[in-house]
Amino acid sequence: QVQLQESGPGLVKPSETLSLTCAVSGYSISNGDYWDWIRQPPGKGLEWIATISRGGILHYNPSLKRRVTISLDTSKNQFSLKLNSVTAADTAVYFCARHVFTEPVDYWGQGTLVTVSS
Amino acid sequence: DMQMTQSPSILTASVGDRVTITCRASQTISNYLAWYQQKPGKVPKLLIYKASSLESGVPSRFSGSGSGTEFTLTINSLQPDDFATYYCHQYNSYSTWTFGQGTKVEI
Repeated sequence: QVQLQESGPGLVKPSETLSLTCAVSGYSISNGDYWDWIRQPPGKGLEWIATISRGGILHYNPSLKRRVTISLDTSKNQFSLKLNSVTAADTAVYFCARHVFTEPVDYWGQGTLVTVSS
Repeated sequence: DMQMTQSPSILTASVGDRVTITCRASQTISNYLAWYQQKPGKVPKLLIYKASSLESGVPSRFSGSGSGTEFTLTINSLQPDDFATYYCHQYNSYSTWTFGQGTKVEI
């Protein structure tokens, strides 16, 4: 059973960098597949952030692309998200997820709330 | 950029009703369209993938249809457990992803 768990600071100051990690268990990210970050501001809808594959394929939400870095660490079986120059509009529950090529998300992390505030 | 326009944003219905939610893509997405159900504080639950395929374990009262740019989710005989928010999601693996704005189904 694939399990994903997000971790990182729950509070980030404006203009700083939000950093999250998603630890994967029950499956090796070296096997392939695609690894995603999705967020949901409080009371609002889902917003896809970015996707990465072991093969080096990267896709970014165009509206966030210039601020986002996503990476894989196969030695730790985890992947990460960095979002720089954050504002209050980046306050959201951040989900990590997995999908197989040409399929939608099949596994989600439980989500972690990140609040941007001074 | 790809846009997904979902309607209505709020749908008021009663137990036993048949309800339909529509999602329109700004470009053709073939059948790379999924529907999710989300309840407050919970992770989205996959209902439909490839526009019309029912995810394992999902009740048969849920169905999806459409291709290209127009898609619908239908819930036949709405049950109390179905009151939730529903999202469409285009997942073309060759490109960027987009979610619809969501439809809240309320009593």
